[in-house]
Amino acid sequence: SQTIHQWPATLVQPVGSPLSLECTVEGTSNPNLYWYRQAAGRGLQLLFYSVGIGQISSEVPQNLSASRPQDRQFILSSKKLLLSDSGFYLCAWSGLAGEVISYNEQFFGPGTRLTVL
Amino acid sequence: QKEVEQDPGPLSVPEGAIVSLNCTYSNSAFQYFMWYRQYSRKGPELLMYTYSSGNKEDGRFTAQVDKSSKYISLFIRDSQPSDSATYLCAMKENYGQNFVFGPGTRLSVLP
Repeated sequence: SQTIHQWPATLVQPVGSPLSLECTVEGTSNPNLYWYRQAAGRGLQLLFYSVGIGQISSEVPQNLSASRPQDRQFILSSKKLLLSDSGFYLCAWSGLAGEVISYNEQFFGPGTRLTVL
Repeated sequence: QKEVEQDPGPLSVPEGAIVSLNCTYSNSAFQYFMWYRQYSRKGPELLMYTYSSGNKEDGRFTAQVDKSSKYISLFIRDSQPSDSATYLCAMKENYGQNFVFGPGTRLSVLP
């Protein structure tokens, strides 16, 4: 079965500090990977997606960046956090689940709650 | 007009009630439709997945898609307090990588 991990679960960072959030997927290969942000009481905002190693598409211009150094690893980074970066960050994947390839269903990780003070 | 609209609620119902959750959308190219359940401070969990129009049933949950009206629904029968969560609808075109989400409806099932 497929499992998606995110860490850390909770993070409190001062304004201007760097950020690195990590996401890994197990039990699949060649997944599409996604980073979303969910502000309190609001919907999901797509930040980045990746269809392969080193291939990153950015949906929202901001001070965040993403990298995919390995097939099943997706990293969200920032050099200097802003107050507005606070939120719930979710990693998601789509692709091969068991013997079924479906890029039309998406599965989420447990999320990282980031508070920037 | 937003691409996907969903009443944010909150929606409060008594235990055992039938719950109807709905989304409307504007993009006629959407072919895949999903419902997610999200408990507080947790990641969304995929509940139902349907392709094109029609109904799909899974236990107490039924998903309906009416592409002619650009309207999808999730019905929950015999609702339980454990169903209290935020429900997100999501949609995707046949090609492309992106999923489009509604803002979510917060549901409370009261014992």
